[in-house]
Amino acid sequence: DGGITQSPKYLFRKEGQNVTLSCEQNLNHDAMYWYRQDPGQGLRLIYYSQIVNDFQKGDIAEGYSVSREKKESFPLTVTSAQKNPTAFYLCASSPAGGSPLHFGNGTRLTVT
Amino acid sequence: EDQVTQSPEALRLQEGESSSLNCSYTVSGLRGLFWYRQDPGKGPEFLFTLYSAGEEKEKERLKATLTKKESFLHITAPKPEDSATYLCAVQAYQFYFGTGTSLTVIP
Repeated sequence: DGGITQSPKYLFRKEGQNVTLSCEQNLNHDAMYWYRQDPGQGLRLIYYSQIVNDFQKGDIAEGYSVSREKKESFPLTVTSAQKNPTAFYLCASSPAGGSPLHFGNGTRLTVT
Repeated sequence: EDQVTQSPEALRLQEGESSSLNCSYTVSGLRGLFWYRQDPGKGPEFLFTLYSAGEEKEKERLKATLTKKESFLHITAPKPEDSATYLCAVQAYQFYFGTGTSLTVIP
């Protein structure tokens, strides 16, 4: 079955450490996205990529980095520069403009 | 400013008690409006896409409608398994999400 796989489901890190969240899709979608979800707030866009080897910052890119070396993969690194990294992170993909986003099941990151 | 507002924030219904969720939006160049269902600890699950005013989509007990300024998600005779958070999103230049309506259906 086609879909988006995020791993791990839960991630725990100490403050000051970088951590990378995995996102893989087999939907053959060109565009991929990373969102952050916090209680009481709408999904906020971190980064997005519409084509391999190209990506753009979203509304809250500071303290995050991404790469898009393959169409299927869009990993997100949460760096030690991110001041409040504890959150639920969602990866999504979309085939084209005007089409809905398809989401993975998220990674809950806890930094202490 | 482009934005999406959902109301109410939370809704408790008795099983079988029909109601509607609202999504109002102000965006320039609407490319699509999307409804999602999100269960706790999971990613949003796509429900409907609406593209133009007057359009309606139905799936089981859910019906989504669209006007030029808002969309409604009507829930007819809900069951406890309909309990979830329902998210609305619009796509213009980018996707804009509302904060969701948390629906609880009591048996």
